[in-house]
Amino acid sequence: DIQMTQSPSTLSAFVGDRVTITCRASQIISDLLAWYQQKPGKAPKLLIYKASNLQSGVPPRFSGTASGTEFTLTISSLQPDDFATYYCQQYNTYFLTFGQGTKLEIK
Amino acid sequence: ELQLVQSGAEVKKPGESLKISCKGSGYSFTNYWIAWVRQMSGKGLESMGLIYLDDFNTRYSPSFQGQVSISVDKSISTAYLQWSNLRASDTAMYYCATRDNSGRLYWGQGTLVTVSS
Repeated sequence: DIQMTQSPSTLSAFVGDRVTITCRASQIISDLLAWYQQKPGKAPKLLIYKASNLQSGVPPRFSGTASGTEFTLTISSLQPDDFATYYCQQYNTYFLTFGQGTKLEIK
Repeated sequence: ELQLVQSGAEVKKPGESLKISCKGSGYSFTNYWIAWVRQMSGKGLESMGLIYLDDFNTRYSPSFQGQVSISVDKSISTAYLQWSNLRASDTAMYYCATRDNSGRLYWGQGTLVTVSS
């Protein structure tokens, strides 16, 4: 199985900060990596697909990059609506494994 | 536009059986796969397994092998997740998901399953 190691598990930041969340895959997964935002009681919302493609309707302050087996999600200037939990997901293999999640909190 | 619509919330007793559904529209229900994801209250996302829509081959994550069954009826563009013997620990939100040719992912709205005596 491919393991996805996501860090940090919790992140405290101010509105306006630039933040980065990282996911490392245990094997090569090509660029089949997605990022989601989830708020309590809601379904996950797709932000980024294929590592760096911004989903339609998602603000451009969100971006994704890939380097080998390391993937990052960056939010360039945090807005109040961005405080949520973020997950990465690989979909290169049929297990579709997820990272453990990063809870982004207001400092 | 590609859309996945899931069946409504269910309340069941331990030992009962259940089949929930995920209906696709807006695309050819023949490519790639439909996956099922579990999320228990306050917890992360867990991949349960998936079914390939070209050959109906199913793959299950080790934690769910033998516990659930995934199937599809292509004639009505619908995938299913089924239990034959529900347990209280199956109480969770369940999501279906798929992808398109560009690699974009799509999710259903979720089905809440509550198992309680």
